[in-house]
Amino acid sequence: EPEVTQTPSHQVTQMGQEVILRCVPISNHLYFYWYRQILGQKVEFLVSFYNNEISEKSEIFDDQFSVERPDGSNFTLKIRSTKLEDSAMYFCASSVEATNSPLHFGNGTRLTVT
Amino acid sequence: AQRVTQPEKLLSVFKGAPVELKCNYSYSGSPELFWYVQYSRQRLQLLLRHISRESIKGFTADLNKGETSFHLKKPFAQEEDSAMYYCALIGNTGGFKTIFGAGTRLFVKA
Repeated sequence: EPEVTQTPSHQVTQMGQEVILRCVPISNHLYFYWYRQILGQKVEFLVSFYNNEISEKSEIFDDQFSVERPDGSNFTLKIRSTKLEDSAMYFCASSVEATNSPLHFGNGTRLTVT
Repeated sequence: AQRVTQPEKLLSVFKGAPVELKCNYSYSGSPELFWYVQYSRQRLQLLLRHISRESIKGFTADLNKGETSFHLKKPFAQEEDSAMYYCALIGNTGGFKTIFGAGTRLFVKA
């Protein structure tokens, strides 16, 4: 069964550095998402992406964040200048449709900002 | 505002006992509701959705629009049901984001 894959599984970075988290969604899916989960807290929506543009973003997704689909397979999340509070598990997900369609999640990237 | 509430952080039951994981939602339209599960060291995955009205691994969930609830139930819990369970909602405005409740950790004791 096809799966969403995320790399790396764990990323350690210093405050102020840029990080890029990578995801390969399921190939026939059209909708892509990033979520994050701070340790012990809920899974929070960051951004949804469709047809090569952001369709919705949360208030967490400020100017420090950006997403890109640079080719036909990858979907990336960039954090320009990381802060300590960006430390979290970041999940990529994809779905076939916007509605009536569940999310398929990757295993996540644990980002640690020191 | 869209909101999903799971009032219990932890639910501990004995094997063979009935389980009910509570979920209440707040949404002005007609949302689609889901239960996701995360077993130890596995990815978050769909368990069931209200539109399918199916039973998965013995679990069922009925959408009660009057009470705005979507509780997850299983008549006889098994040890392998121990996991983190998340109730989730898709709205039908804007980018169709899925929002999650805080999750309930189910622990089934032998």
